[in-house]
Amino acid sequence: DAKTTQPPSMDCAEGRAANLPCNHSTISGNEYVYWYRQIHSQGPQYIIHGLKNNETNEMASLIITEDRKSSTLILPHATLRDTAVYYCIVRVDRDKIIFGKGTRLHILP
Amino acid sequence: DAGVIQSPRHEVTEMGQEVTLRCKPISGHNSLFWYRQTMMRGLELLIYFNNNVPIDDSGMPEDRFSAKMPNASFSTLKIQPSEPRDSAVYFCASSLGGEGRGYTFGSGTRLTVV
Repeated sequence: DAKTTQPPSMDCAEGRAANLPCNHSTISGNEYVYWYRQIHSQGPQYIIHGLKNNETNEMASLIITEDRKSSTLILPHATLRDTAVYYCIVRVDRDKIIFGKGTRLHILP
Repeated sequence: DAGVIQSPRHEVTEMGQEVTLRCKPISGHNSLFWYRQTMMRGLELLIYFNNNVPIDDSGMPEDRFSAKMPNASFSTLKIQPSEPRDSAVYFCASSLGGEGRGYTFGSGTRLTVV
């Protein structure tokens, strides 16, 4: 199973872009990269996913390296409400998602 | 769309009692997942269903835990008898299934066993 590695915590100033890295060097060709976040006391929230190409939606952008061994989640203009734990996940099975420890992102006013 | 609905939001029970957690997935979703979250162990997948059939229950901690999905709009997670170490937040999630599909999580049930 492909595993992911994320820094345990990061800080970002409010209004700046938050760039959250993730390593997944053993990812296989048909596995997607997913990002979720969990704001305190809430259920995890889906953010974005991608296979090979970069992706953007109303919440964030996902940049996947050409060799697919790492990716970066970008929150373009971080606000205090973006303070959360961010999980990078590689889908190991068609219908199952396993969460790791994630990155605790602190947005500083 | 009301999202994934879990009940109760909070449950406090005494050790040895039976506890039943409930989940209503999003209409049309064909996969349902039960997760447990604690500070020590993080988010753990307990069991998941596809088209109401249990596919993988390898995360269920022991025989005291059981889950059912009698129809596409309802699932239960039961703990009998409950123990203090079962105290956690239990999340239910649903998905349309297949690659490229995100999960939608409920707000969770915070269980405290005293």
